[in-house]
Amino acid sequence: DTEVTQTPKHLVMGMTNKKSLKCEQHMGHRAMYWYKQKAKKPPELMFVYSYEKLSINESVPSRFSPECPNSSLLNLHLHALQPEDSALYLCASSQEWAHHEQFFGPGTRLTVL
Amino acid sequence: DAKTTQPNSMESNEEEPVHLPCNHSTISGTDYIHWYRQLPSQGPEYVIHGLTSNVNNRMASLAIAEDRKSSTLILHRATLRDAAVYYCILRASNNAGNMLTFGGGTRLMVKP
Repeated sequence: DTEVTQTPKHLVMGMTNKKSLKCEQHMGHRAMYWYKQKAKKPPELMFVYSYEKLSINESVPSRFSPECPNSSLLNLHLHALQPEDSALYLCASSQEWAHHEQFFGPGTRLTVL
Repeated sequence: DAKTTQPNSMESNEEEPVHLPCNHSTISGTDYIHWYRQLPSQGPEYVIHGLTSNVNNRMASLAIAEDRKSSTLILHRATLRDAAVYYCILRASNNAGNMLTFGGGTRLMVKP
């Protein structure tokens, strides 16, 4: 299984809602990542987890809260988002944090109304 | 962070080779050159990486200039499935780990 899966594929939420994005991999990878991609722009790194510990937070606002409950699962909890947070949220994993190849999921397209 | 410069777009004919250039004149001695591509409606996909020597894999070849200030991704025989945005990325090999900073990328269009 060489796949990173993300659910849901699409999500529409209001500014007062709380929702979560889920990412899963069963490749035994110990590093997992969240990226944000606005329309027609390149992906931007948000968070890096290594061995279930948060290693990098790229100055992301606290309305985005990551969680890594185990080595296969990565969540992104969303609360009080703004319309400008509408984007494609991509999850990726790699064997180790220093390993070269990252495997990306298809993303969750988020719309904030 | 060292930056990369790529053409915004390129066009190719199907079944012909494609050479995608990337300039990285401020590259440091420990930076790896990575290439990823993003097909429409998909997440990015790893293509290839190298440090100093040219590299080949089943997807592509990477030619690195002797001074390392530029590199070229070579697709030997373009297919319609290769139409994508190709990103050239520098990754430091220090303790920063695998932090990918994507640049603008090159949109490759493949004509039948």
